[in-house]
Amino acid sequence: DQQVKQNSPSLSVQEGRISILNCDYTNSMFDYFLWYKKYPAEGPTFLISISSIKDKNEDGRFTVFLNKSAKHLSLHIVPSQPGDSAVYFCAAKGTGNQFYFGTGTSLTVIP
Amino acid sequence: KAGVTQTPRYLIKTRGQQVTLSCSPISGHRSVSWYQQTPGQGLQFLFEYFSETQRNKGNFPGRFSGRQFSNSRSEMNVSTLELGDSALYLCASSLGSRGALVQGEQFFGPGTRLTVL
Repeated sequence: DQQVKQNSPSLSVQEGRISILNCDYTNSMFDYFLWYKKYPAEGPTFLISISSIKDKNEDGRFTVFLNKSAKHLSLHIVPSQPGDSAVYFCAAKGTGNQFYFGTGTSLTVIP
Repeated sequence: KAGVTQTPRYLIKTRGQQVTLSCSPISGHRSVSWYQQTPGQGLQFLFEYFSETQRNKGNFPGRFSGRQFSNSRSEMNVSTLELGDSALYLCASSLGSRGALVQGEQFFGPGTRLTVL
């Protein structure tokens, strides 16, 4: 049972425009959410996180929004750059140190 | 500081065999987590080891096991391999404090690509 879902397997965006990646979850007990970025042949690298007590966290070009009532979070990248092209995973922290990952969204930023 | 290393990077086995994968965490990190990545399933948590003890476990059958040594290096073993075990196996290391993970201080290795024929 997939508790964290990324329903868009791929997304293409023009350079300079906004990229919006979406993630839905089912477990209301998740207390932290993270986004990871993964290039081919490399492991995922941490991008940004948000606590369940907040609704927004910003770090440079990256902003994560959390809508707890809808059990939905999104990652906004503004402006998008070709180097942002990668697979993005959202993850949620359950009890203890167990993390639940989505299936990933492959972002392509077109120059 | 050297990153997380995993060996081997690629492995081909046949059904019924067993396999052992190795992970060396970043120096000073005491927690090692293992994940299985397959197309359509994303990353699935296998287990986490901290100070040689399994601290958390995901929903995988008993064929999947692991251990951690006193130097924090970890191994993962899969016995009686099945075709569905073909996947990228990732390990991630962190200092081990629970707060560190939510701050993103979990560093992934490049993974071991296992193919079961």
